[in-house]
Amino acid sequence: GENVEQHPSTLSVQEGDSAVIKCTYSDSASNYFPWYKQELGKGPQLIIDIRSNVGEKKDQRIAVTLNKTAKHFSLHITETQPEDSAVYFCAASEGNNNDMRFGAGTRLTVKP
Amino acid sequence: DGGITQSPKYLFRKEGQNVTLSCEQNLNHDAMYWYRQDPGQGLRLIYYSQIVNDFQKGDIAEGYSVSREKKESFPLTVTSAQKNPTAFYLCASSINFGAGQPQHFGDGTRLSIL
Repeated sequence: GENVEQHPSTLSVQEGDSAVIKCTYSDSASNYFPWYKQELGKGPQLIIDIRSNVGEKKDQRIAVTLNKTAKHFSLHITETQPEDSAVYFCAASEGNNNDMRFGAGTRLTVKP
Repeated sequence: DGGITQSPKYLFRKEGQNVTLSCEQNLNHDAMYWYRQDPGQGLRLIYYSQIVNDFQKGDIAEGYSVSREKKESFPLTVTSAQKNPTAFYLCASSINFGAGQPQHFGDGTRLSIL
């Protein structure tokens, strides 16, 4: 089955700097890769997703890149702000159903 | 507003007791899911349901049970057979179980042992 690994587990940046979180997946059949942001005591919120027919997707300060050959995808946050502080999860799902596998999460801290 | 409502927010279980976590959605989604979240770990799938009156075991179903009698409701029972139930439980839904459907999450129930 699919296995998703996420790095780093914690990340601390200064406000205004960029943050990058990386995930690798094992199943080449996976074709949908969402990213979630989870604030303390809340459920994960979808912030961006990418499908395997696209190499990059951007939404304001957030972008995701996908390298199908290497089986890894990354979340890029530019001009970070303190409210970006949260736990971020990547996930991958197979080509024929919605069984989603999640990474272990990255705790991002943006210092003012 | 459409969304997923989980209740209660906090729940305490005594030894030998079964407890039921509620999950209700008004998104008209066919598929619903239950995940368990432990500190420092990703979400692990307990059960999922593709449609009303259907449900399937996930990776860690032992000690849990579910029902799906109504489209909008997918309650999870943590039975006394689950020896380590302390965790954050998340319910999610998606339009269907087809490939690449975003899952939308509730705000979770934190279960602790008394």
